[in-house]
Amino acid sequence: KAGVTQTPRYLIKTRGQQVTLSCSPISGHRSVSWYQQTPGQGLQFLFEYFSETQRNKGNFPGRFSGRQFSNSRSEMNVSTLELGDSALYLCASSLGLRGLAPGNTIYFGEGSWLTVV
Amino acid sequence: SQQGEEDPQALSIQEGENATMNCSYKTSINNLQWYRQNSGRGLVHLILIRSNEREKHSGRLRVTLDTSKKSSSLLITASRAADTASYFCATNPTQGGSEKLVFGKGTKLTVNP
Repeated sequence: KAGVTQTPRYLIKTRGQQVTLSCSPISGHRSVSWYQQTPGQGLQFLFEYFSETQRNKGNFPGRFSGRQFSNSRSEMNVSTLELGDSALYLCASSLGLRGLAPGNTIYFGEGSWLTVV
Repeated sequence: SQQGEEDPQALSIQEGENATMNCSYKTSINNLQWYRQNSGRGLVHLILIRSNEREKHSGRLRVTLDTSKKSSSLLITASRAADTASYFCATNPTQGGSEKLVFGKGTKLTVNP
């Protein structure tokens, strides 16, 4: 069973540009979340999508956006890039079903390394 | 902002020794998950413990959860050089109704051969 796949793995962008990152979740998983990891702030939650709807959102500016498609694949976009957006962006997937005893294992991809110059 | 803290921030041990990492958090949770991250790589899931569980084992890993103290610990027994990595605890807050995880800052473990 394939894991969470993220593309591209590495990219370099210039300040002011925009970037789109892609994530394919594990087959059957309907929840996709995105995280930003930096040395200073650590791992921070960006947003979560479940069945094409944003279910939760972290404290990031509106330049950060995402979407989920009907096949559960997800993309995140960062517009007007700033130097501080340089980070490892991680995608995570899970079944997403809440149930009576929520405890879905959440699996992460290898991440996309974004460098803004 | 981070929900909680892991301690110690860094831990250096010899192969064969046990490693214990602690995690504290602040809010009510549904579950807590531990992850390992090798330098520059993604997060590898180690173990999940639900809020109504107190202890879980998986191979050389033992995790405890004390919801009254809002804390958890990860024990790695008979450590190996390959266990060298950063370890993170992540909590799924009750509030929010989603799969959001809130991470601690992590413990950097070095296992010396």
